[in-house]
Amino acid sequence: ENVLTQSPGTLSLSPGERATLSCRASQSVSSSYLAWYQQKPGQAPRLLIYGASSRATGIPDRVSGSGSGTDFTLTISRLEPEDFGVYYCHQYGSPPRTFGQGTKLEIK
Amino acid sequence: EVQLVESGGGLVQPGGSLRLSCAASGFTFSNYWMYWVRQAPGKGLVWVSRIDSDGSSTHDADSVKGRFTTSRDNTKNTLYLQMNSLRVEDTALYYCARSRVVGGYDALDIWGQGTMVTVSS
Repeated sequence: ENVLTQSPGTLSLSPGERATLSCRASQSVSSSYLAWYQQKPGQAPRLLIYGASSRATGIPDRVSGSGSGTDFTLTISRLEPEDFGVYYCHQYGSPPRTFGQGTKLEIK
Repeated sequence: EVQLVESGGGLVQPGGSLRLSCAASGFTFSNYWMYWVRQAPGKGLVWVSRIDSDGSSTHDADSVKGRFTTSRDNTKNTLYLQMNSLRVEDTALYYCARSRVVGGYDALDIWGQGTMVTVSS
């Protein structure tokens, strides 16, 4: 099983600041099959990024993904108040699909 | 509107059974692989199972193998999760989700709102 480890556990930033979230895999992720989701309290996860760097429909360009192999990054260049929530990375390149444990992004 | 709506959750005793349903609308359900993902209270996301577009192939997480069965009825646009021999550790919010691309293995772009399963005596 490909274990995904996210860091930091919690990130507290102010609107307008830049957020950088990390996801490290225990094995190389096939074909960069790595996605990022945002989840707000009481809501289902929302797909942000797939294929490591492609934005899902409706996701603003201030949200970007990068990385390959075992190291991946989600960057939100200018934080907006609606960006709070928990962010999960997810690898779907090899079964079983696995998720990271999440990074909580708090807006100051 | 593309939508997934789960139902069938509830309170069940350990060892009991429950069947979850996920009704799809707004897209051609029969073209897409579908998934179940669960989330224990206050915890992260855990993949449970996958079924391909015509229901001929399924794949389950080791933690539910032999106890849970995923199926679909493409004439009713509905996904199912039959859960038997339930354990306390199966307590979670169960989401159904759609693979992003037709007939393929990809990220999950559409999620339902989830249905809660509580296993307790």
